[in-house]
Amino acid sequence: GENVEQHPSTLSVQEGDSAVIKCTYSDSASNYFPWYKQELGKGPQLIIDIRSNVGEKKDQRIAVTLNKTAKHFSLHITETQPEDSAVYFCAASINYGGSQGNLIFGKGTKLSVKP
Amino acid sequence: DGGITQSPKYLFRKEGQNVTLSCEQNLNHDAMYWYRQDPGQGLRLIYYSQIVNDFQKGDIAEGYSVSREKKESFPLTVTSAQKNPTAFYLCASSMFRLAGSYEQYFGPGTRLTVT
Repeated sequence: GENVEQHPSTLSVQEGDSAVIKCTYSDSASNYFPWYKQELGKGPQLIIDIRSNVGEKKDQRIAVTLNKTAKHFSLHITETQPEDSAVYFCAASINYGGSQGNLIFGKGTKLSVKP
Repeated sequence: DGGITQSPKYLFRKEGQNVTLSCEQNLNHDAMYWYRQDPGQGLRLIYYSQIVNDFQKGDIAEGYSVSREKKESFPLTVTSAQKNPTAFYLCASSMFRLAGSYEQYFGPGTRLTVT
């Protein structure tokens, strides 16, 4: 089955710097890759996602890139702010001939943005 | 105000007792999911349901049971057979499972403590 590895497990940056979180997946049939942000004591919130027919997607200060050949995808946060501090999860889902499989999650990255 | 609600936010039970966690959504989503989250771990799928009166086991279904009698409701029962029930439980929903329409949205979670 699909396996998703996420690195690093913790990341500390200064306010205004960029942050990059990387994930790798094992099954080349995966075609949907969402990223979630989870604040302490809350449920995860979908912040951006990408499908396998595109290589990059941006939404203001966040972007996701996908390298299908290498089977890895990354979350990029620019101009980080203290409110970006949270745990970020990547996930992957396999396309079974038109029906989407369950999400397989990485173990998360705790991002700390220091003022 | 659309969304997913989970109640209660905190739940305490004695070992050996069954407990039911509530999940309700008013997003008119077809599919609903239950995940378990432990410290430093990703989200692990317990059960999911794609339509009313149908549900499937996820990766860690042992010791849990669900029902899906209504589209908007997907309660989870943690039985006394679950060896380590203390965890943060998250409910999610998505519109379809067709490729291209698979964004999952999460509720705020229920933290269950069993002593």
